[in-house]
Amino acid sequence: DTEVTQTPKHLVMGMTNKKSLKCEQHMGHRAMYWYKQKAKKPPELMFVYSYEKLSINESVPSRFSPECPNSSLLNLHLHALQPEDSALYLCASSQETRSYQPQHFGDGTRLSIL
Amino acid sequence: QKEVEQNSGPLSVPEGAIASLNCTYSDRGSQSFFWYRQYSGKSPELIMFIYSNGDKEDGRFTAQLNKASQYVSLLIRDSQPSDSATYLCAVIKNNDMRFGAGTRLTVKP
Repeated sequence: DTEVTQTPKHLVMGMTNKKSLKCEQHMGHRAMYWYKQKAKKPPELMFVYSYEKLSINESVPSRFSPECPNSSLLNLHLHALQPEDSALYLCASSQETRSYQPQHFGDGTRLSIL
Repeated sequence: QKEVEQNSGPLSVPEGAIASLNCTYSDRGSQSFFWYRQYSGKSPELIMFIYSNGDKEDGRFTAQLNKASQYVSLLIRDSQPSDSATYLCAVIKNNDMRFGAGTRLTVKP
């Protein structure tokens, strides 16, 4: 078990659905991240939040919409996704967005788009 | 040239042997270096991190960093079947972490 909790663990949705992925950490970390990982590939950074403000958006399509309601929570809102968006979505956190601080990952949400 | 390069493997070692995993990075300004272990279908788990040239040891794991050669490695002593996983090298520069493709390690009993 990790200290970064992601829900749901699995999600199947159609291309017209709207759903949200949730991430929570209670380590007092002020930086939170969303990654996308396809099978047999490394994680790819999507978004970075620092002190609840979006600091990095790696040119992610607008059908993915991040939200950071408070320092412990991070959401990823999904709408009109495509089959190629099927992947493992990982949330991570670190104390701050400093280069020397390691990121700790949640267990991920495995997303399948029908 | 990829930013972070690893041999994809698979690397196979017998139980009890030393497993040596290697990683090179292209940006000389990279600041910190991490090794993550990822079991199939699971999330990456932090194993080691290193910031300065030299060796850093933690139990059976040793991370080695050579910034002049832009090279970081992970040694696993007394390898166990439970060490069988994909090992991801990650490099941070300016708060941006980039992963290598990972090396798949198999430890045979």
